[in-house]
Amino acid sequence: QVQLVESGGGVVQSGESLRLSCAASGFTFSGNGMHWVRRAPGKGLEWVADIWYDGSKQYYVDSVKGRFTISRDNSKNTLYLQMNSLRAEDTAVYYCARDYWDCISGTCYKVLDYWGQGTLVTVSS
Amino acid sequence: QSVLTQPPSASGTPGQRATISCSGSSSNIGSNTVNWYQQLPGTAPKLLIYSNDQRPSGVPDRFSGSKSGTSASLAISGLQSEDEADYYCAAWDDSLTGYVFGTGTEVTVL
Repeated sequence: QVQLVESGGGVVQSGESLRLSCAASGFTFSGNGMHWVRRAPGKGLEWVADIWYDGSKQYYVDSVKGRFTISRDNSKNTLYLQMNSLRAEDTAVYYCARDYWDCISGTCYKVLDYWGQGTLVTVSS
Repeated sequence: QSVLTQPPSASGTPGQRATISCSGSSSNIGSNTVNWYQQLPGTAPKLLIYSNDQRPSGVPDRFSGSKSGTSASLAISGLQSEDEADYYCAAWDDSLTGYVFGTGTEVTVL
């Protein structure tokens, strides 16, 4: 069965860095894109970034562009999120999720079909 | 900020039907399919509906989705206490080149 396990969260000071990891199992990791999504305290879900199955393309929400980097190591079945210059507003539970493309009449649409349990990042100012 | 708008709350008594709306634009719902996620308290989000109206294996048929133009909706028929959760619509946005979530709706079973 598909399993995604995040790690690397913790408490850091504003301006510091942190790297999150997401260990994948139960599917062919190199065949799927992956996403990071976060939920800040008292807020809703916010998509953060995604990366194609082969790492060739990455997309980011504007608020993290230039500070966060999504990457993957297909030989280790692991997804990463390098977070630099952290701010208090980055405090959230961070989830990794698998990208599934549902194709209809030749056009494919993204679906985040499996999610990890999340890891908490707290940035203190 | 979210570009998909949902009502902040919805409620009903056990057995009733609850409906959640999701309003977007031509760059997201208007040109891509809509997915719905359920997040129970203290747990990770779970895919509830994909491609506007498809249920993943294991999701009860009490949950149904639809889409028309730049709006979508989720219906929960026969409300049960275990349906108390936050619900989010989501879609890819071609203008933002990113995945966008709705503002979220908290469902309460009275």
